[in-house]
Amino acid sequence: DTAVSQTPKYLVTQMGNDKSIKCEQNLGHDTMYWYKQDSKKFLKIMFSYNNKELIINETVPNRFSPKSPDKAHLNLHINSLELGDSAVYFCASSPIGSNNEKLFFGSGTQLSVL
Amino acid sequence: AQTVTQSQPEMSVQEAETVTLSCTYDTSENNYYLFWYKQPPSRQMILVIRQEAYKQQNATENRFSVNFQKAAKSFSLKISDSQLGDTAMYFCAFCPRRGKLIFGQGTTLQVKP
Repeated sequence: DTAVSQTPKYLVTQMGNDKSIKCEQNLGHDTMYWYKQDSKKFLKIMFSYNNKELIINETVPNRFSPKSPDKAHLNLHINSLELGDSAVYFCASSPIGSNNEKLFFGSGTQLSVL
Repeated sequence: AQTVTQSQPEMSVQEAETVTLSCTYDTSENNYYLFWYKQPPSRQMILVIRQEAYKQQNATENRFSVNFQKAAKSFSLKISDSQLGDTAMYFCAFCPRRGKLIFGQGTTLQVKP
């Protein structure tokens, strides 16, 4: 009965490969996000989708392509992986509503690019 | 630019004592939200407490409370009766628009037995 689930939890891959991280939420939320936590633990938003529509894109390289097939899923595809992509990627969701900014985070996917 | 600053990279406290984690932020917005998140070694991001900028009353959640000073743009977290399970990294976050959290650098808190 996990609220926001990401797969895989760990991902080790070679430079130049293409990989995907999947995210699903069963909370009925309309908005989903991807955040990146770098090696210094700094967290920064990458993307936000509301009802399958992109609403935030924080100058992320176009090698990163989020895809939202429905409002319960937001997957992250990364092309031509680089060493600097190594990080923990967090998916999150929140309910719609002008006064509710509470985010529910998944447990993160640790990506290691060798 | 909107920024969040946590000036204490590491803190420690004895079990059962009280500790305060500092956070300041910079914004020209008048309406926003502030949060404290906890990240234990399990990596999970856990919401600790939430404050709405238009509310003057400081938020409290059991042993956790904040001191929100809007004019000073300060948002500190007080943990009372610290427990070993409070050991974690704590992130202050500012939310100017839906879902876009701007995080501080984090403070690692060690609760000692």
